[in-house]
Amino acid sequence: SQKIEQNSEALNIQEGKTATLTCNYTNYSPAYLQWYRQDPGRGPVFLLLIRENEKEKRKERLKVTFDTTLKQSLFHITASQPADSATYLCAMGADTDKLIFGTGTRLQVFP
Amino acid sequence: DSGVTQTPKHLITATGQRVTLRCSPRSGDLSVYWYQQSLDQGLQFLIHYYNGEERAKGNILERFSAQQFPDLHSELNLSSLELGDSALYFCASAQLSSGNTIYFGEGSWLTVV
Repeated sequence: SQKIEQNSEALNIQEGKTATLTCNYTNYSPAYLQWYRQDPGRGPVFLLLIRENEKEKRKERLKVTFDTTLKQSLFHITASQPADSATYLCAMGADTDKLIFGTGTRLQVFP
Repeated sequence: DSGVTQTPKHLITATGQRVTLRCSPRSGDLSVYWYQQSLDQGLQFLIHYYNGEERAKGNILERFSAQQFPDLHSELNLSSLELGDSALYFCASAQLSSGNTIYFGEGSWLTVV
């Protein structure tokens, strides 16, 4: 079955460093991939979308890569700040009208 | 504020009961998605409607049903509730049926006791 995996362990980094989160998928050929931020008890908020024919996408301090050979996406936050602390979810979709989410990785940025 | 409205925000009910969760999508959005989020399961896709028609179904239990009305609002009906149904239920909306950003509401917290 389709599976999306994100590191379930929290990622703890120091302010100013680059945070890198990983999303791997199996038994799936997504047409696009999205990253969302979720704060405790709140709904996920969209950050970036990247399509299968795109290698990299940037938005301010955020960068996403999409490697269809490795079946992997990397999400980078440069110059991280304590306000970036949250859970980050990757989601994948195709033409099936489903958008499937990973379980998320919790990021903690320390001052 | 995403523009997606969910009611009620919190709900406590007993096992065996039935509840209805309501979602009003963002103005102009034709797609409505329902997700269930529990601590050990993450965000689980339940069902997707586009302009009143069911477009995709996930691991939605037979005890659960949903519909999207002509005014595009949607309802998720949960019946014969069990303790394990306690979760945060999210509605999300989007303009298109696929390939676009989806906007989440703040969720409906359901506690089954």
